[in-house]
Amino acid sequence: GAGVSQSPSNKVTEKGKDVELRCDPISGHTALYWYRQSLGQGLEFLIYFQGNSAPDKSGLPSDRFSAERTGGSVSTLTIQRTQQEDSAVYLCASSLVVAGSGNTIYFGEGSWLTVV
Amino acid sequence: GEDVEQSLFLSVREGDSSVINCTYTDSSSTYLYWYKQEPGAGLQLLTYIFSNMDMKQDQRLTVLLNKKDKHLSLRIADTQTGDSAIYFCAERSWGKLQFGAGTQVVVTP
Repeated sequence: GAGVSQSPSNKVTEKGKDVELRCDPISGHTALYWYRQSLGQGLEFLIYFQGNSAPDKSGLPSDRFSAERTGGSVSTLTIQRTQQEDSAVYLCASSLVVAGSGNTIYFGEGSWLTVV
Repeated sequence: GEDVEQSLFLSVREGDSSVINCTYTDSSSTYLYWYKQEPGAGLQLLTYIFSNMDMKQDQRLTVLLNKKDKHLSLRIADTQTGDSAIYFCAERSWGKLQFGAGTQVVVTP
């Protein structure tokens, strides 16, 4: 696609429920990243994928968070048993490659998650 | 560990130049970036600079990099009201971007 596409754009969920956030990267981009931005906070790295592998998942806050990527394209970030502190904007990004030339990272519009 | 720091707020008058500063600690950073975020929107890549460059100019934007001091700046010439946003500095050596907390720029008439 023309840009990084994320869905849903907005999600309100009840505490304790599971949510899935989807990211469709720019076509041909092999690297995909997930970040979280809480109200008034900076950007917190969660995980990145090179192809379908996740070399760095050090930013996942707890074992309630997981992510997968299939076919080297679409990625899903799953949050189980959501808590109010999970409320944030979840940003997905992609780049052609992980490093070297052509590694410019482009972001989607984000998925706004509110846990009530 | 990696750390990127920015001042949190900048107020500038319309038509003046804005300078946003950033410092980073990872000496292995290969690329440094500036992103812009308007209210309710995602991050828009403004520009980036490779670590072997000192300066990059792109229309109203000038990026200066002092690799020795690990200092990066973004200058916006002839600042307009549409430039009001949060500006994030980020550095990258491999894989993930490490972001600063963002500088909120407010442009006043």
